[in-house]
Amino acid sequence: QSVLTQPPSVSAAPGQKVTISCSGSSSNIGNNYVSWYQQLPGTAPKLLIYENNKRPSGIPDRFSGSKSGTSATLGITGLQTGDEADYYCGTWDSSLSAWGFGGGTKLTVL
Amino acid sequence: EVQLVESGGGLVQPGGSLRLSCAASGFTFSSYEMNWVRQAPGKGLEWVSYISSSGSTIYYADSVKGRFTISRDNAKNSLYLQMNSLRAEDTAVYYCARLRFSRDFDYWGQGTLVTVSS
Repeated sequence: QSVLTQPPSVSAAPGQKVTISCSGSSSNIGNNYVSWYQQLPGTAPKLLIYENNKRPSGIPDRFSGSKSGTSATLGITGLQTGDEADYYCGTWDSSLSAWGFGGGTKLTVL
Repeated sequence: EVQLVESGGGLVQPGGSLRLSCAASGFTFSSYEMNWVRQAPGKGLEWVSYISSSGSTIYYADSVKGRFTISRDNAKNSLYLQMNSLRAEDTAVYYCARLRFSRDFDYWGQGTLVTVSS
């Protein structure tokens, strides 16, 4: 049972835009930074977005993050086939004294 | 270049023990909080344990509390996870991950597979 809730899958055509939601509560997303991770098939997760909406060096600006209240959203524009991956949101849960991840969202670029 | 290299995974029987290691390089290991995160086959990410930079603060997921022990040796730039009383549901790839400013996991190792089976 994940602390954070994500849709299991999303899909869109190449060149299009997609958003992935991440829902939590006041003890996690509501009062802590959210980060997003991309996991390409057979590889380790990679930091995609940190502190809700910042991109690490090397991450293209096609990827964006936002947070409002107890929810966060990852946006990807100009979809490419290479973006097909699993995406996870993550944050600290102050009530549980534990890190939590969403269940993951599989992105398919049709 | 930051590198995290896990080792120590393998096949172990239920009830058995295993010790994972994570060798860190390319950064000042003693300045960073570290974590173990696991991923069961075909499943999502599950945080396992956290240790502060000095080792004075430790947290565990409820699923492993009382069975797993996280530790670190800053002189050896190494992170460890002692896993006891292993169960089938502990089968997963275990990742070592660096925590940046207590906010996000900015570097991950390649993972080491632990299989608990008779």
